[in-house]
Amino acid sequence: EDQVTQSPEALRLQEGESSSLNCSYTVSGLRGLFWYRQDPGKGPEFLFTLYSAGEEKEKERLKATLTKKESFLHITAPKPEDSATYLCAVPINAGNMLTFGGGTRLMVKP
Amino acid sequence: SQTIHQWPATLVQPVGSPLSLECTVEGTSNPNLYWYRQAAGRGLQLLFYSVGIGQISSEVPQNLSASRPQDRQFILSSKKLLLSDSGFYLCAWSGFGGYTFGSGTRLTVV
Repeated sequence: EDQVTQSPEALRLQEGESSSLNCSYTVSGLRGLFWYRQDPGKGPEFLFTLYSAGEEKEKERLKATLTKKESFLHITAPKPEDSATYLCAVPINAGNMLTFGGGTRLMVKP
Repeated sequence: SQTIHQWPATLVQPVGSPLSLECTVEGTSNPNLYWYRQAAGRGLQLLFYSVGIGQISSEVPQNLSASRPQDRQFILSSKKLLLSDSGFYLCAWSGFGGYTFGSGTRLTVV
């Protein structure tokens, strides 16, 4: 069964304290892995798409990497404005419907 | 550019009342459209998806229904709301590179 699991569920960091979020997936024939950021009360905002193992993408303090079984979202020297819930998702079925992990709630304290 | 509109932003409805949430997309033709629900502190659950006018697929049995009367309009409905229908409802459309989400509707059934 296709599945997406994120860990940890919640992560508290001090400003400047780098860390990584994990997204593990079991999907036959990966057709992309998506990362989103979601602020409270708002819709998810697209961050990255990764398509093949070894691929990396960066945006400001965020870097996403992909292996054959998991993806990491690395946050370097985070700031309080990076606080949000980070969601990963993979498309399943012929309709390309995204299956989401449970998310990691990141809190960065000044 | 493509935009997605979703309304209302918040809604408080009594148990047993009807529901209608609307989503419209601009700047694209024949988009795949989706309704997701997000329970507090959890990931997104796909409710319905549509690949064209009048074509609706449901992912989970529930008290809700969806309709697509026009190419860029997607409606989520219920004849009688249950307490368990409370949640954050998100509309999305998929194009090249991933999904774009609306701003969401916070539904509270009292």
